Amino acid sequence: DAKTTQPPSMDCAEGRAANLPCNHSTISGNEYVYWYRQIHSQGPQYIIHGLKNNETNEMASLIITEDRKSSTLILPHATLRDTAVYYCIVSAQGAQKLVFGQGTRLTINP
Amino acid sequence: DTAVSQTPKYLVTQMGNDKSIKCEQNLGHDTMYWYKQDSKKFLKIMFSYNNKELIINETVPNRFSPKSPDKAHLNLHINSLELGDSAVYFCASSPMAGPRETQYFGPGTRLLVL
Repeated sequence: DAKTTQPPSMDCAEGRAANLPCNHSTISGNEYVYWYRQIHSQGPQYIIHGLKNNETNEMASLIITEDRKSSTLILPHATLRDTAVYYCIVSAQGAQKLVFGQGTRLTINP
Repeated sequence: DTAVSQTPKYLVTQMGNDKSIKCEQNLGHDTMYWYKQDSKKFLKIMFSYNNKELIINETVPNRFSPKSPDKAHLNLHINSLELGDSAVYFCASSPMAGPRETQYFGPGTRLLVL
């Protein structure tokens, strides 16, 4: 599985858009980009995934660069409940396992 | 309606004991997983079962034995517990249709070995 690089921590003001970057320069053509988050003392929660097109769901948007070497998770209007560790994971479909890195600790400030 | 549930939530035990953690999912998924999150917060897969069949075994000591009585349940039995087994253990499941990497996690079982 390709390695990902994320900043260890970020801060964002409540109500603002939180933009979380992820580098995955060694991503292969058949590997997807997945985002999960882990709120303190809870299990990880799936957010969104994509292959090469930008994706949006009720939780977030995922922007993948054209060369697929990096992506950005966007939480459009961050709330205090979005404070969590966010994990960017690249994985080939069918690999069945998630390889978690250290993630980005996002703190939403009032 | 809890999608993926684990029992117990907390488990404190002595070194050398044998203990089990149970996991149940009511999502109709056919694949289930066990992950371990250590004190440094690294989250790592241990096992994966697909329709009661072991698919992934990530070099976990054989003191750890998963058992899947049916596709809705995946239990984890740990023999001769060691101090290093102290961690949070998460169960997860994923559907057959769609990417297996879209996984739904349970709340975790916090194991402390004294």
